[in-house]
Amino acid sequence: GDSVTQMEGPVTLSEEAFLTINCTYTATGYPSLFWYVQYPGEGLQLLLKATKADDKGSNKGFEATYRKETTSFHLEKGSVQVSDSAVYFCALISGYSTLTFGKGTMLLVSP
Amino acid sequence: GAVVSQHPSRVICKSGTSVKIECRSLDFQATTMFWYRQFPKQSLMLMATSNEGSKATYEQGVEKDKFLINHASLTLSTLTVTSAHPEDSSFYICSVRDRGREKLFFGSGTQLSVL
Repeated sequence: GDSVTQMEGPVTLSEEAFLTINCTYTATGYPSLFWYVQYPGEGLQLLLKATKADDKGSNKGFEATYRKETTSFHLEKGSVQVSDSAVYFCALISGYSTLTFGKGTMLLVSP
Repeated sequence: GAVVSQHPSRVICKSGTSVKIECRSLDFQATTMFWYRQFPKQSLMLMATSNEGSKATYEQGVEKDKFLINHASLTLSTLTVTSAHPEDSSFYICSVRDRGREKLFFGSGTQLSVL
């Protein structure tokens, strides 16, 4: 079946550091890929998405590129802020239209 | 503001009791709601899909008699963990699909701890 693997957290960074959260997937066909974010006390929110190979999703300074050859969708941000501290979930949809999530990666950004 | 309201955010209960978790869609009619569960250090896993006015569809391995889902209206779905045991301790989160926009919105989750 479909699966999503993302790096273990927590990821601890200083403000303005570069962020990468790795995500790889296994799926049948051509999935759509997503990054969701959950800020403390809030619900999951869609951060960005990509629906086909080589697409780049971007939002709030975050980017992720759909790499079919490596089955990856790594999340990156050039300069993180304290307000980016949250849990980030990588997810996919393929065929059967329900989301398959990764374990989530907690990001902690210190001033 | 929040589109989906999920309550309670945290509950601690004794083994053998039942716990009800509510998921409300605040801004739109939700024909479909999803319930997910996450064990510590595990992926967020889909438990069941509930459609308003019909029985929920449970994923393989999820006991429907233990996890009762009621989707009685277009704005409310409830998950009841019956006769809870410590192994039911987990993070539960609901998701609703906006019928008009085909977008997904999530609740803030419920951390259940069974003693």
